[in-house]
Order: sequence, then structure tokens, then C-alpha cells
Amino acid sequence: GAVVSQHPSRVICKSGTSVKIECRSLDFQATTMFWYRQFPKQSLMLMATSNEGSKATYEQGVEKDKFLINHASLTLSTLTVTSAHPEDSSFYICSARDLLRPRLPRGTQYFGPGTRLLVL
Amino acid sequence: AQKITQTQPGMFVQEKEAVTLDCTYDTSDQSYGLFWYKQPSSGEMIFLIYQGSYDEQNATEGRYSLNFQKARKSANLVISASQLGDSAMYFCAMRERFGNEKLTFGTGTRLTIIP
Repeated sequence: GAVVSQHPSRVICKSGTSVKIECRSLDFQATTMFWYRQFPKQSLMLMATSNEGSKATYEQGVEKDKFLINHASLTLSTLTVTSAHPEDSSFYICSARDLLRPRLPRGTQYFGPGTRLLVL
Repeated sequence: AQKITQTQPGMFVQEKEAVTLDCTYDTSDQSYGLFWYKQPSSGEMIFLIYQGSYDEQNATEGRYSLNFQKARKSANLVISASQLGDSAMYFCAMRERFGNEKLTFGTGTRLTIIP
């Protein structure tokens, strides 16, 4: 259980285009999902917290107009990188919490496999 | 100020030996949680083990154990009888009480198991 999927796994796009990344919780409902960005050989940096049915909460320094997040259902959150530029090339990872698993430690997140974005 | 510090960027360990990955943290909260995640080369983050700040005993999960020293603010991961499949990046993370369930990650340690 607690499987999180991401699509696509890899994407190459031209500079100036928009790219949408989907994050799905396959076997549980996720009221909260998180979006991270990871540069090569670096740690995960939280970009935003996505709550179902409400606006996402962005971390300081993350442009909300550039990284659009939509959490329309309990199993799906999307991240859209608008007008992508080469500096947006990175590994994007989503995670989700399963609140209905009572034995899980508070704060446990299950991660998707990640999406590698390359902007040419 | 960095909240999670992992001072070992890389480690090489002989197969079947035990290995300790260091993690120190900084928080003013009394209630917090510490996590260890494994990231293989494929990229996915795998949850390994958790230690709550009020847990009196060190957490254990199979070959993984956590050496929790609260006064020193350290939460080192111990992997016993290492296997080739343990080669990966390992991240220590902290959930603070007022952090809206957010996790703050350390910079990671790349562990390589040598046959």
C-alpha cells in the first residue's frame, strides 16, 4: 500500500513551453501532497504544500505564478511549470500523506518516483 | 541556519559490515520527529525508519536502527550486515511541531557497498 505515482517520468521540452506533472496516490486518499525539487547531487527542497480543495502554500522564494499547483481531488495533484527555461531543469518529486493509517508516524510522507525535466 | 546536518557526503563500506550514517539536527521544539529515507539511483525516496522526540527507546526496523541521542541532538542511522542493494543516497529529515507536517531534509550521504 501507500503507492504514489508520477507522470511523466521524463520530459524534454523547448524553452518557453509549459509542462504539467501529475502526482497520484493510487491506494489511499491524500488531503495533503508536497512538491519538491532536487538538483543533481543535492538535497530535496520543498517547493509547496498542496491541500485538496484549497490554494497551495508556497515556500519562500518559489514563484507561484511560475509553478502552478492544483489539487483538485483527494488522489491527484498537478504541478505546471509555465514558460519553462533551462534553469527550471531539475528532478521534481511529489509526496503524499496517508492520514488513515493510524500506525504511521505523524508526518510520514510517501514519495513518487520523480519526474526529470530537461528544458532546452 | 541549517536544521539538519549530514557531515558525510560519501561513505564506502565492505559488504556485510555495519555502517553508521551521521545526522545532527537543530530545533527549539520539544515535539518533533526524525526520519531516514533511502534514495536509490532510480530516484524514488523510500521511507526507512522514524524516531519521535518523546520515544524512550531507539527505533529499529529490520537491519535499520536509529541511535537517538536527544541531548546531543543526533539521530544516526545504523545499517547492520550491509548488502550491495544498500548502495544509495540516504537522507535524514525532521518534522517540527509547528511545521505544518513539512519535512526538512539534510544534504544526504552517498553510501557505496563494496563487494
